[in-house]
Amino acid sequence: DTQLTQSPSFLSASVGDRVTITCRASQDIRTYLAWYQQKPGKAPNLLIYGASTLQSGVPSRFSGSGSGTEFSLTISSLQPEDFATYFCQQFGSYPLTFGGGTKVEI
Amino acid sequence: EVHLVESGGGLVQPGGSLRLSCATSGFTFSDFWMTWVRQAPGQGLEWVANINQDGSDTYYVDSVKGRFTISRDNAKNSLYLQLNSLRVDDTAVYYCARDRGGSGWSDHDHWGQGTLLTVSS
Repeated sequence: DTQLTQSPSFLSASVGDRVTITCRASQDIRTYLAWYQQKPGKAPNLLIYGASTLQSGVPSRFSGSGSGTEFSLTISSLQPEDFATYFCQQFGSYPLTFGGGTKVEI
Repeated sequence: EVHLVESGGGLVQPGGSLRLSCATSGFTFSDFWMTWVRQAPGQGLEWVANINQDGSDTYYVDSVKGRFTISRDNAKNSLYLQLNSLRVDDTAVYYCARDRGGSGWSDHDHWGQGTLLTVSS
């Protein structure tokens, strides 16, 4: 199975901060990686697919980069509505797997 | 607008069975792979299973192989997950999700609100 390791698992930040979350895969997944945002009690919401393509409707302050085994999600200027948990997911091999999550708090 | 609505969760004893359903609308259901993802209380996300457009191809995470069965009814625009031999560690919110891409290797662009399954004696 392809393991995904996210770091940090917890992040404390302020409105306006630039925030970067990393996701490391245990094997090469090319760009078969997605990022999701999840708020308490809600379903995940797709932010980024193909490692760097912004999903329709997602604000441009979100960006993704990377390929192979190293990936990152960056929020250029954190907004109050961005405080949430973020997950990466690989779909390069079965079983599809998710990272452990990064909780972004004030 | 795309909608996915899960139902069928509840309290089940260990060893029991249950069928989850996901009713969909707002898109051509038969054009998309579909997926079940679960989330144990306070934990992360776990991909459970997916199914291709006509139901002829399915994949499962090892922990549910032989116990869970994913299926679909394209005439009813519905996705199902039959859960047998349930264990305490199957307790989770179960989400159905639509695969964005046209193959079995895809992220998920629309999700239901989830249905909670609790396995306990």
